[in-house]
Amino acid sequence: DAGVTQSPTHLIKTRGQHVTLRCSPISGHKSVSWYQQVLGQGPQFIFQYYEKEERGRGNFPDRFSARQFPNYSSELNVNALLLGDSALYLCASGGESYEQYFGPGTRLTVT
Amino acid sequence: RKEVEQDPGPFNVPEGATVAFNCTYSNSASQSFFWYRQDCRKEPKLLMSVYSSGNEDGRFTAQLNRASQYISLLIRDSKLSDSATYLCVVNRGNTPLVFGKGTRLSVIA
Repeated sequence: DAGVTQSPTHLIKTRGQHVTLRCSPISGHKSVSWYQQVLGQGPQFIFQYYEKEERGRGNFPDRFSARQFPNYSSELNVNALLLGDSALYLCASGGESYEQYFGPGTRLTVT
Repeated sequence: RKEVEQDPGPFNVPEGATVAFNCTYSNSASQSFFWYRQDCRKEPKLLMSVYSSGNEDGRFTAQLNRASQYISLLIRDSKLSDSATYLCVVNRGNTPLVFGKGTRLSVIA
């Protein structure tokens, strides 16, 4: 079975631009969560979606938005990029248990 | 106070050593507990879930003390390949995972 996939793997943007990151969960999983990880810190929760509904939102500005599609894949959008948005963006897939499995992440660099 | 706190690292140990990581969590409503392993510039990988009765997987043993809100991970007979950052993680049912900062382990030949 394929694991969680994310695209792109790396991205370089300039301040003020916007970015769209994509994630496909493990087959059969209906929950997708997004996390941001900056160097030296643990991942921080951004959004969680379950059955296409937003289930939770972390302490991130409105520049961050997300959605989940009928096939359970998800997109994370970030507008008006700031230097501080440079990070590893992780998508996690969840099934019936409380365990979550991460994709390889998208490394975003904002210059 | 952070919701999940871990031992500051790094831990530098020789091959074959036993090493223990400790973690405390502040929210008594936490229900699920995990240890993830993260290699440099890679995604976190689930190492093991932690159950109230404690659980073991080969050289790895995890313990949970709900009264003290404390979680531990013991690695016996350390291998070079165990070198990584170990993340303590909690959640309250089907809620987002809350991560500690992680503890870096370096196993030295």
